[in-house]
Amino acid sequence: EDQVTQSPEALRLQEGESSSLNCSYTVSGLRGLFWYRQDPGKGPEFLFTLYSAGEEKEKERLKATLTKKESFLHITAPKPEDSATYLCAVQAGGSTLGRLYFGRGTQLTVWP
Amino acid sequence: SAVISQKPSRDICQRGTSLTIQCQVDSQVTMMFWYRQQPGQSLTLIATANQGSEATYESGFVIDKFPISRPNLTFSTLTVSNMSPEDSSIYLCSGGTGDGYTFGSGTRLTVV
Repeated sequence: EDQVTQSPEALRLQEGESSSLNCSYTVSGLRGLFWYRQDPGKGPEFLFTLYSAGEEKEKERLKATLTKKESFLHITAPKPEDSATYLCAVQAGGSTLGRLYFGRGTQLTVWP
Repeated sequence: SAVISQKPSRDICQRGTSLTIQCQVDSQVTMMFWYRQQPGQSLTLIATANQGSEATYESGFVIDKFPISRPNLTFSTLTVSNMSPEDSSIYLCSGGTGDGYTFGSGTRLTVV
């Protein structure tokens, strides 16, 4: 069974304190791994898609990396506005394009 | 990336009634999906909305309970039928063409 596990469930950082969020997955033939940010009361906001081990993508203070078993979302020198829930999702090989299976997310709080 | 408008944004409904949620995309997208996000949980895929044909439902979701229409490439509806308090949740529409999938802001449904 395809599974996505995110850790930690919650993370509190002081402004400027860099850290990483983890997404481990077991899936039959990964077609893509997606990172989203979700603010309270809003839908998920697309951040990155990674397709193959060794791939990296960056956006402002965020950098996503992918291995054969997990992905990391590195947050460098976070600011309070980075506080949100970060969701990881995978698309399995053989499944309909766009069918995503989500982890439970990591709730990030950055305090000044 | 596509912009998705979803309405209503929230509703409070009596048990036994039905609610139809609308999803409008500002550009043609290949794929459209409906998700459910229960309180404190991550996103669960309900179904893939297929243009001009019956939706493809995930395990645990059935057409009689969640009928879906997609008459064209930019519009879809999800109906939550014969509602019970267990249907209280956030319902989200998603669309995209392959590299990334955008979400609407969601419909927060409370069944009383």
